[in-house]
Amino acid sequence: AQKITQTQPGMFVQEKEAVTLDCTYDTSDPSYGLFWYKQPSSGEMIFLIYQGSYDQQNATEGRYSLNFQKARKSANLVISASQLGDSAMYFCAMREGGRGSTLGRLYFGRGTQLTVWP
Amino acid sequence: GAVVSQHPSWVICKSGTSVKIECRSLDFQATTMFWYRQFPKQSLMLMATSNEGSKATYEQGVEKDKFLINHASLTLSTLTVTSAHPEDSSFYICSASGGGVTSYEQYFGPGTRLTVT
Repeated sequence: AQKITQTQPGMFVQEKEAVTLDCTYDTSDPSYGLFWYKQPSSGEMIFLIYQGSYDQQNATEGRYSLNFQKARKSANLVISASQLGDSAMYFCAMREGGRGSTLGRLYFGRGTQLTVWP
Repeated sequence: GAVVSQHPSWVICKSGTSVKIECRSLDFQATTMFWYRQFPKQSLMLMATSNEGSKATYEQGVEKDKFLINHASLTLSTLTVTSAHPEDSSFYICSASGGGVTSYEQYFGPGTRLTVT
């Protein structure tokens, strides 16, 4: 079974609008972390936001927020006030084990290509 | 945040030759480094996990004799693609983790684009 599922191959949003990128995950480990990364055409992986499984509140980082619904095993990324520079591939990822887990490996989804139009 | 560098950023080599890619953590000690491979428009595929001073752990289906990984120090890991063939052409990305109870983030290098002709 897929650890991370991103069902939206592509999303389009108009500049200044908000957009939600979907991510669901599958794990039996009670302790895990969820990540979102942005990958522009240059290829670098840019860390956006992190949510730990025991975190009580949804994570926020500037225009990024993570809508964490534990019972549904979903961790959607919300980008508010989209900008043209937000156009990129977005990956959801999960690491099993708690903070500092020596397991360390990330499981990535297939990604969502976001296009922001003026 | 912590910085991870990769060298070279891109390389073109002839079929049958070997190519070495370096991954360095510039301002922290990386107890664990990861090597990923990414084909165009696809996700990152983990190739192997390496811990400083020990042998790398390869993912199923990854040829350990073809993709040699060395993690000789806490700041440097290398991936050598031996006897490269055109199907090895890909984007290779490393990431590094410092571990520890306060560190949850993996820091990614900028990637190396390999083209085998």
